[in-house]
Amino acid sequence: DTGVSQDPRHKITKRGQNVTFRCDPISEHNRLYWYRQTLGQGPEFLTYFQNEAQLEKSRLLSDRFSAERPKGSFSTLEIQRTEQGDSAMYLCASSPKTGYGETQYFGPGTRLLVL
Amino acid sequence: TQLLEQSPQFLSIQEGENLTVYCNSSSVFSSLQWYRQEPGEGPVLLVTVVTGGEVKKLKRLTFQFGDARKDSSLHITAAQPGDTGLYLCAGLDTGRRALTFGSGTRLQVQP
Repeated sequence: DTGVSQDPRHKITKRGQNVTFRCDPISEHNRLYWYRQTLGQGPEFLTYFQNEAQLEKSRLLSDRFSAERPKGSFSTLEIQRTEQGDSAMYLCASSPKTGYGETQYFGPGTRLLVL
Repeated sequence: TQLLEQSPQFLSIQEGENLTVYCNSSSVFSSLQWYRQEPGEGPVLLVTVVTGGEVKKLKRLTFQFGDARKDSSLHITAAQPGDTGLYLCAGLDTGRRALTFGSGTRLQVQP
């Protein structure tokens, strides 16, 4: 039984560079979510996919951020022209289409540090 | 915008003590989930509650969803050092898929 996986686990980049993160959800989970968590805070919602369709985006998701889920399986989150304020833990979660309370299962996260 | 307030923010207790963590909102949630998070890791699901007044037990942890589905509590009996971590509550708004998280309760259990 494999859970949600994320790659890389850690990323250090210089301001202005582009970064891309990958998330592999639990197999057969058709819903996939991205959240961002800064130090001392709970995660904040960024965006949500059902299969390959991006159905909801937070106002936190500026135009420098783009997420895709081209085949309805894995997803990527790209940040262009990174800023120091983008430093955070980026969390991916998945859930089945039907389930008790629509529980979301989280991956280990990708910690981004922008220098 | 729905908000979830958790209290206390920090809690340091001795092994064997009992504790309760609270999660409150003025809004109604269709379900509420509790997670525990270790440093540098993602949140790990503890429980999901759906029905108002629902009580669920997970070994020494007891979770309750308020009758009006606006609040929840987590009670730990005879805390152990392995219970140390960040406890997060997260509510799911009816008609949406995004979880709204509280800011968490950081628990430290001293041996």
